[in-house]
Amino acid sequence: GAGVSQSPRYKVAKRGQDVALRCDPISGHVSLFWYQQALGQGPEFLTYFQNEAQLDKSGLPSDRFFAERPEGSVSTLKIQRTQQEDSAVYLCASSLSRLAFQETQYFGPGTRLLVL
Amino acid sequence: QQQVKQSPQSLIVQKGGISIINCAYENTAFDYFPWYQQFPGKGPALLIAIRPDVSEKKEGRFTISFNKSAKQFSLHIMDSQPGDSATYFCAASRNFNKFYFGSGTKLNVKP
Repeated sequence: GAGVSQSPRYKVAKRGQDVALRCDPISGHVSLFWYQQALGQGPEFLTYFQNEAQLDKSGLPSDRFFAERPEGSVSTLKIQRTQQEDSAVYLCASSLSRLAFQETQYFGPGTRLLVL
Repeated sequence: QQQVKQSPQSLIVQKGGISIINCAYENTAFDYFPWYQQFPGKGPALLIAIRPDVSEKKEGRFTISFNKSAKQFSLHIMDSQPGDSATYFCAASRNFNKFYFGSGTKLNVKP
């Protein structure tokens, strides 16, 4: 079956430009996570949705970062006025439910963002 | 403060050998400890996970050892194969929402 998909796979933006990154989770998955992965580092938590509710956005680095999941399926991560330090791979993951422990998070391939 | 510390940063093992990667955590409220494998250009994939009420979990060639009192856990890869060459991440979470990842270990298994 289809896994988590993300688009675009690669994005080059000029400093100051706004970008939107899309995540299509596995159908029926309730939980959705966004992570930022800098080169050679582990993923860092950005935000978490359960259905359409954004339950934790404590990892968003600044108010330039905004995430939404209006219908509880597809999610968009938007970065306004991009800066060079925003260059990273943005990973999306989904899981069936957070109510079951050891529930598997399935990661997408990521969007590699380069801000020039 | 880094919530999960991982070592070593890189590891070279001969084919058939045992690969051991270690992690230490800070928050005693963490209740789920997964290990992920990541190949270049791909997202992380869950390998194996453990909860703090058990000290060891084994799935095939992969074993997690968990020491609650020391706040440490480790991944052992038995009979390491060249196909295991990848970057491995430990992680920890509480209530399966916000996950904290280690900085990763790049494993190279030589034929």
